[in-house]
Amino acid sequence: DIQMTQSPSSLSASVGDRVTITCRASHSISTHLNWYQQKPGKAPKLLIYAASSLQSGVPSRFSGSGSGTDFTLTISRLEPEDFAVYYCQQYGFSPFGQGTKVEIK
Amino acid sequence: QVQLVQSGAEVKKPGASVKVSCKASGYTFTNYFMHWVRQAPGQGLEWMGIINPRGDSTSYAQKFQGRVTMTRDTSTSTVYMELSSLRSEDAAVYFCARDTYDSSGYFVHWGQGTLVTVSS
Repeated sequence: DIQMTQSPSSLSASVGDRVTITCRASHSISTHLNWYQQKPGKAPKLLIYAASSLQSGVPSRFSGSGSGTDFTLTISRLEPEDFAVYYCQQYGFSPFGQGTKVEIK
Repeated sequence: QVQLVQSGAEVKKPGASVKVSCKASGYTFTNYFMHWVRQAPGQGLEWMGIINPRGDSTSYAQKFQGRVTMTRDTSTSTVYMELSSLRSEDAAVYFCARDTYDSSGYFVHWGQGTLVTVSS
């Protein structure tokens, strides 16, 4: 099974900061990587699919990059509503990363 | 619009089974695979398995093999997830999540979640 490892597990940032979260796959997964945002008590929300495609309706400050084993999610300028937990996932049949909690500094 | 509406919260004793439903509307039910994902309190997301509503084929995460059964009822556009031999660590929120039309393996639409409590 392919394992997904996210880092960091948590980070503190301020509104307006640039934030980068990384996800590493144990084997190459091409660009088969999705990113989700989850807020307390809510279902996850898809942000990025196929490593770099922005889901419709998601603000352009979110971007994804990478291929093979190394991927990043970048929030160019953090907004108050972006404080949440972020998960990566290889397509469909696969485990999620352990999550990255973005907290207010 | 696409809606996935799950059944209500459950309280079960250790060793019992729980069956959670996910009623779909707003699209052709048999055209989209459905996944189940769970989340224990304060923990991350855990993929459990997938069902093809057209042919009833399933695939389960190895961790749940032998304990989970996913089924569907096309007459009511509902998928079910049954987990047996419950233990305390199965206490979690269970989500259904719809795949894309071409089964690309990402989830735009999710149910609201069903809380399962396991307690003696």
